[in-house]
Amino acid sequence: TQLLEQSPQFLSIQEGENLTVYCNSSSVFSSLQWYRQEPGEGPVLLVTVVTGGEVKKLKRLTFQFGDARKDSSLHITAAQPGDTGLYLCAGLYSGNTPLVFGKGTRLSVIA
Amino acid sequence: NAGVTQTPKFRILKIGQSMTLQCTQDMNHNYMYWYRQDPGMGLKLIYYSVGAGITDKGEVPNGYNVSRSTTEDFPLRLELAAPSQTSVYFCASGQFNYGYTFGSGTRLTVV
Repeated sequence: TQLLEQSPQFLSIQEGENLTVYCNSSSVFSSLQWYRQEPGEGPVLLVTVVTGGEVKKLKRLTFQFGDARKDSSLHITAAQPGDTGLYLCAGLYSGNTPLVFGKGTRLSVIA
Repeated sequence: NAGVTQTPKFRILKIGQSMTLQCTQDMNHNYMYWYRQDPGMGLKLIYYSVGAGITDKGEVPNGYNVSRSTTEDFPLRLELAAPSQTSVYFCASGQFNYGYTFGSGTRLTVV
């Protein structure tokens, strides 16, 4: 079974703080995606990274794909209560195989 | 665009009953997926389909069946429901590497 390890599992921070969450595997991805899920809803795609070393920014969110394409990070600057949710990374290993999801990081931003 | 529509949103089943979870997408995606999400366990793949008439097992297929007679529809059938099938079920569709669109889920309780 191919595994994606996400850390930390839970994170509770004050509004305005910065944070980084991580997604790691021992295998190489052809691409990696990040999703955010709010209570009672399905996950929503935030970003897809494809190239080793790639950095993508989405407002206050910065996504980085590791050079070896085995890991990724999500950095949030000046977190806001609206960032609260479950952040899931998902890796695509090859061909038509479905995405494999990590267990997620549950973020709570307190006003 | 409605995206991915799942019905019902909630359901309570008695042990041994059967039901079908409906999933429809209007984005003309070839790929469709069924995941279940248990607390703290992330998303686990039940079945997937790469096109009409083609289905394949995921990580946790036991106790479930699927069919894909059209591009739009991908129903999930539960036969002889068991308490272990209590979960939130998500249907998703996608096109290879471009990320998945998820439905809002079906919360199933088996008592």
